[in-house]
Amino acid sequence: DAKTTQPPSMDCAEGRAANLPCNHSTISGNEYVYWYRQIHSQGPQYIIHGLKNNETNEMASLIITEDRKSSTLILPHATLRDTAVYYCIVRVARGGATNKLIFGTGTLLAVQP
Amino acid sequence: DGGITQSPKYLFRKEGQNVTLSCEQNLNHDAMYWYRQDPGQGLRLIYYSQIVNDFQKGDIAEGYSVSREKKESFPLTVTSAQKNPTAFYLCASSPRTGGTNEQFFGPGTRLTVL
Repeated sequence: DAKTTQPPSMDCAEGRAANLPCNHSTISGNEYVYWYRQIHSQGPQYIIHGLKNNETNEMASLIITEDRKSSTLILPHATLRDTAVYYCIVRVARGGATNKLIFGTGTLLAVQP
Repeated sequence: DGGITQSPKYLFRKEGQNVTLSCEQNLNHDAMYWYRQDPGQGLRLIYYSQIVNDFQKGDIAEGYSVSREKKESFPLTVTSAQKNPTAFYLCASSPRTGGTNEQFFGPGTRLTVL
């Protein structure tokens, strides 16, 4: 599974969009990009995932560059409750094999009032 | 409500004692996982199970043991052989292995060995 690189921390003003970058320059064609977040002392929470196309759900949007070497998670209107560590993970989706997620150290997003 | 429960939330044990962490899910998921998290670090996979009565070692299985006798339960035993057992332990489940199914995590158990 490809390795990811994320900035260790970011700040965002409450109500503004939070844009969290992730580099995955060694990503393979069959690897998906996943985003999870972990609020302090809780279990990680799934946010979104994608392969090539941009994706949007009720929590966030995922923008993947055309060459797939990087992606950006967008929280459109950040709130104080979005303060968390955000993990970008790339993983092969293959039937019958482990669903192992490899977590790096992520980006600590601090939403400021 | 469907979900994953882990108990207890905080656990204290003396050095040299074995301790078992509970993980139960009522999501009817086939696959279950145990991760360990140390301060300021990401999660590391200890063991995973794809189906009842079957499990495989993850990246840091030494000093741990698991069982999967029931679909909904995947207890983790931290043995005295684990050199640094103090950590935050997270259990997760997913509908099946592979595919694009995301994992659902429990609230975690913080183990402190004195």
